Amino acid sequence: TQLLEQSPQFLSIQEGENLTVYCNSSSVFSSLQWYRQEPGEGPVLLVTVVTGGEVKKLKRLTFQFGDARKDSSLHITAAQPGDTGLYLCAGDGGNYQLIWGAGTKLIIKP
Amino acid sequence: DVKVTQSSRYLVKRTGEKVFLECVQDMDHENMFWYRQDPGLGLRLIYFSYDVKMKEKGDIPEGYSVSREKKERFSLILESASTNQTSMYLCASRGGANVLTFGAGSRLTVL
Repeated sequence: TQLLEQSPQFLSIQEGENLTVYCNSSSVFSSLQWYRQEPGEGPVLLVTVVTGGEVKKLKRLTFQFGDARKDSSLHITAAQPGDTGLYLCAGDGGNYQLIWGAGTKLIIKP
Repeated sequence: DVKVTQSSRYLVKRTGEKVFLECVQDMDHENMFWYRQDPGLGLRLIYFSYDVKMKEKGDIPEGYSVSREKKERFSLILESASTNQTSMYLCASRGGANVLTFGAGSRLTVL
């Protein structure tokens, strides 16, 4: 059974601080996706990483896929209240299904 | 702008009632999914459909059924709702590169 462990589960920090969210697995994924979900809405795709070692940037968000394609991280620089939400990682393990992390609830306090 | 629409955002039902959750997508996607989302558990797949009238069980299909009579519509059915089915239900449609587009969710409370 493929599992994707996401940490931390909850993070509350002040505006302007940096943070990192991790997704780790013992399984290899062909790609890994990061979604953000705001209260009362469904998850929305932020980025997909495909190649081992790949780094993608989305403004203040930096996504990295591990060299072995088993783990990924999301780093936010100078967090803003608008970054508040639930962040979900999902690995494509093949078979047309995604393996989901449990999510990181992020609160950025002004 | 592509859309997945879940018509019922909030529902309150009683134990034993039959519940229908409707989902419609306008992207002409073949694959559609129903997930439930509970705090700390992430998204758990209930059922998915890869074509009209085709369905596959996900990880937690017990107590649920689905219907896909038209390509754009995927319905989740709770034949006899129970309190442990109180949850957020998310419908999704899959496009290219295995990327999911989600609806806004249906929050179901079973009393």
